[in-house]
Amino acid sequence: SQQGEEDPQALSIQEGENATMNCSYKTSINNLQWYRQNSGRGLVHLILIRSNEREKHSGRLRVTLDTSKKSSSLLITASRAADTASYFCATASWGGGFKTIFGAGTRLFVKA
Amino acid sequence: DTAVSQTPKYLVTQMGNDKSIKCEQNLGHDTMYWYKQDSKKFLKIMFSYNNKELIINETVPNRFSPKSPDKAHLNLHINSLELGDSAVYFCASSQSFLAGGLPHEQYFGPGTRLTVT
Repeated sequence: SQQGEEDPQALSIQEGENATMNCSYKTSINNLQWYRQNSGRGLVHLILIRSNEREKHSGRLRVTLDTSKKSSSLLITASRAADTASYFCATASWGGGFKTIFGAGTRLFVKA
Repeated sequence: DTAVSQTPKYLVTQMGNDKSIKCEQNLGHDTMYWYKQDSKKFLKIMFSYNNKELIINETVPNRFSPKSPDKAHLNLHINSLELGDSAVYFCASSQSFLAGGLPHEQYFGPGTRLTVT
């Protein structure tokens, strides 16, 4: 079954607002990663947070991880029209080899 | 310089045909992957290779056969194509988790949109 599930499925905001996306997962993980996918393109890695970390920042991105709740959130501050994309969380866990499982993604639309 | 490249970008073919998708990475990574992204954007791992050896093989029909001639290339051959194979196929690569013991971020190719008619 699917490991990571994003919430909401779609989000529409105005430029300048903050966007928050959530990810829940089911099993123990080694790390959790967030990726962005622009329409018609491959995925681009944004940030990786390890299971022993609780928060991580990268530019306008802030990721939190709560292993007790098996959840993570991605916050994009001061959003821009160029942030319009789908955002995926991916969990890496051991299964005879490290396996990275992607959720179905959150589609973010930032209106100019 | 393209880090992970795939060819072709688009592939339209009829049911029953056999086709191949090629992938190459110039990042010096030891691990490569194939993913399938369906129409609902759900991305599912198909195969993972480390140094030309298969390490992850998800429940994929045996019509799909990956081949890794060297660690920079991972090709995907599909026999007897079916309508349900229509999807976007992504190749990706990463540093080997076997070396560092930890899974690393993956670098994705631009995808190959396969349409089976």
